[in-house]
Amino acid sequence: NAGVTQTPKFQVLKTGQSMTLQCAQDMNHEYMSWYRQDPGMGLRLIHYSVGAGITDQGEVPNGYNVSRSTTEDFPLRLLSAAPSQTSVYFCASSSTDRGNSPLHFGNGTRLTVT
Amino acid sequence: QKEVEQDPGPLSVPEGAIVSLNCTYSNSAFQYFMWYRQYSRKGPELLMYTYSSGNKEDGRFTAQVDKSSKYISLFIRDSQPSDSATYLCAMSPGNTGFQKLVFGTGTRLLVSP
Repeated sequence: NAGVTQTPKFQVLKTGQSMTLQCAQDMNHEYMSWYRQDPGMGLRLIHYSVGAGITDQGEVPNGYNVSRSTTEDFPLRLLSAAPSQTSVYFCASSSTDRGNSPLHFGNGTRLTVT
Repeated sequence: QKEVEQDPGPLSVPEGAIVSLNCTYSNSAFQYFMWYRQYSRKGPELLMYTYSSGNKEDGRFTAQVDKSSKYISLFIRDSQPSDSATYLCAMSPGNTGFQKLVFGTGTRLLVSP
């Protein structure tokens, strides 16, 4: 039972480089989302998707792109990394049965931008 | 001002103690209230959730919501060293359920043997 799988676990980037953080879930969940976690700030929503082909912005979307071509995958793209994007990134999913389906989180990608 | 405020701790208690963790919030539209536990280098895992007001008990854990005071609590009875983790409160408006959660910053709990 894999749940939500995030790759890579760790990444170091130089300013201006691009990369894609991968997220896959095997629970057939319609809803997927990306959060970043920073000291003193808690978890903040970056982007979310309520199904394949549908994405929307969260609280802190600037500098990040997403797409949802399949139910299983929801990659997060950094087009030009900045030191302010140094953070721990968590992907989460749930079914769209809003009243009875908690978010399941992956174990995170720790990103450092130098 | 943040929508959800949570004391970062750390909170240090001896094994067997009763632990009280709290959050306050400002958005009266919040209807779903959750507590997540996060071990070091891991993702958050849901402990408990409540909808609207009231109490909910699950084993050693009790969640309370006081909407009139905009205050939620998590009580842990007979705390164990394995309870040492960061506890995150989270909440959302009724029309989004578990989606688009607003999190507190987390309280780090240390339970010593």
